[in-house]
Amino acid sequence: GAVVSQHPSWVICKSGTSVKIECRSLDFQATTMFWYRQFPKQSLMLMATSNEGSKATYEQGVEKDKFLINHASLTLSTLTVTSAHPEDSSFYICSARGLASLSYEQYFGPGTRLTVT
Amino acid sequence: AQKITQTQPGMFVQEKEAVTLDCTYDTSDPSYGLFWYKQPSSGEMIFLIYQGSYDQQNATEGRYSLNFQKARKSANLVISASQLGDSAMYFCAMRDRNNDMRFGAGTRLTVKP
Repeated sequence: GAVVSQHPSWVICKSGTSVKIECRSLDFQATTMFWYRQFPKQSLMLMATSNEGSKATYEQGVEKDKFLINHASLTLSTLTVTSAHPEDSSFYICSARGLASLSYEQYFGPGTRLTVT
Repeated sequence: AQKITQTQPGMFVQEKEAVTLDCTYDTSDPSYGLFWYKQPSSGEMIFLIYQGSYDQQNATEGRYSLNFQKARKSANLVISASQLGDSAMYFCAMRDRNNDMRFGAGTRLTVKP
């Protein structure tokens, strides 16, 4: 199946700083990318959906000025957590679909574990 | 709005036995897809099985089968001949016409030797 990579796999940052997470589709063109957040022992919660070249659509309750999403190319989307706080510590997972993706196809990255100290 | 419900926070099964993980959903969209994913402790999401709302037959993939009851809006996952490596979190998910995939709360499956 198609491969989606995330970088970094884990990151520790200080409170108040910003951190960028990259999500890449390695062997297909990802027209739509999804960003999820997963707190320990909880489910994946959709944060936002982005289509290549368009502004991301954020879920209710997700601050778009805090979680900046850029989907500038068909193979790369980035999530920047600005002015991070300890409560932003979580597991962030991206997922991607292509224009030619079949109904069952949605590919997930391996996740990025963010710890804010 | 779509909603996915998994009512079993945890399940235990004896090795080599079958286990059913429950999932119910709610959507007003006639076109939707149902998914099951396995998430081991590493965190990766492993796709197991898919059922489209218009599929006439229940989906099967090796030891995994999906018991799709459309009228009851349920999509239970059946794992046959459980193995120790099946111990993980299992998530039911749905994607409707909005193209967003949303997940249930998950069920932690523990396979006992």
